[in-house]
Amino acid sequence: DIQMTQSPSTLSASVGDRVTITCRASQSIISWLAWYQQKPGKAPKLLIYEASTLESGVPSRFSGSGSGTEYTLTISSLQPDDFATYYCQQYNTYPLTFGGGTEVEIK
Amino acid sequence: QLQMQESGPGLVKPSETLSLTCTVSGGSITTYNSYWAWIRQPPGKGLEWIGCISYAGSAYYNPSLNSRVTISLDTSKSQFSLKLTSVTAADTAVYYCARRSRGRGYGYWGQGTLVTASS
Repeated sequence: DIQMTQSPSTLSASVGDRVTITCRASQSIISWLAWYQQKPGKAPKLLIYEASTLESGVPSRFSGSGSGTEYTLTISSLQPDDFATYYCQQYNTYPLTFGGGTEVEIK
Repeated sequence: QLQMQESGPGLVKPSETLSLTCTVSGGSITTYNSYWAWIRQPPGKGLEWIGCISYAGSAYYNPSLNSRVTISLDTSKSQFSLKLTSVTAADTAVYYCARRSRGRGYGYWGQGTLVTASS
């Protein structure tokens, strides 16, 4: 299985901050990577796919980059609605696997 | 707009079989290049991909669940189903159904249903 390692596991930030979350794959996933946002009691919401393509309707302050085994999700200016848990997921190889999650909390 | 809804018992006894159904509306379950998945999340923990079935009926499973999982498609009812045998307390989780298209992440999700494995 491809292991997905996210860091940090928790991130404290303030409104307006630039936030970066990293996801590392145990082998190349050729940019077949998605990022999700999940709020308590809700299903995850797709933000980005194919490492850097913004899902329709997602604010442009979210961006993704990376290739091979290293990927990042950046929020350019954190908004109150962005406090949530973020997951990466590879869909290059079965079984599909998720990172452990990054909780973005209010500083 | 595609909508997905999980249904099934919220309580399953240990050693018995967990059975859930996802009903799809607002779109076809046989749409080319669509993949229909089950994903679960134990309370307070992260997401685990259980498996998926393609628009053509090919199924892929997570080996961590060994041979306990079966996912099937019922095109006549626009549904797909999950069966997980020999459940234990470790299978207690919120179970989500979700859909992705080839090359994309899971863009459509059900609201999730909590299944508790307990006697």
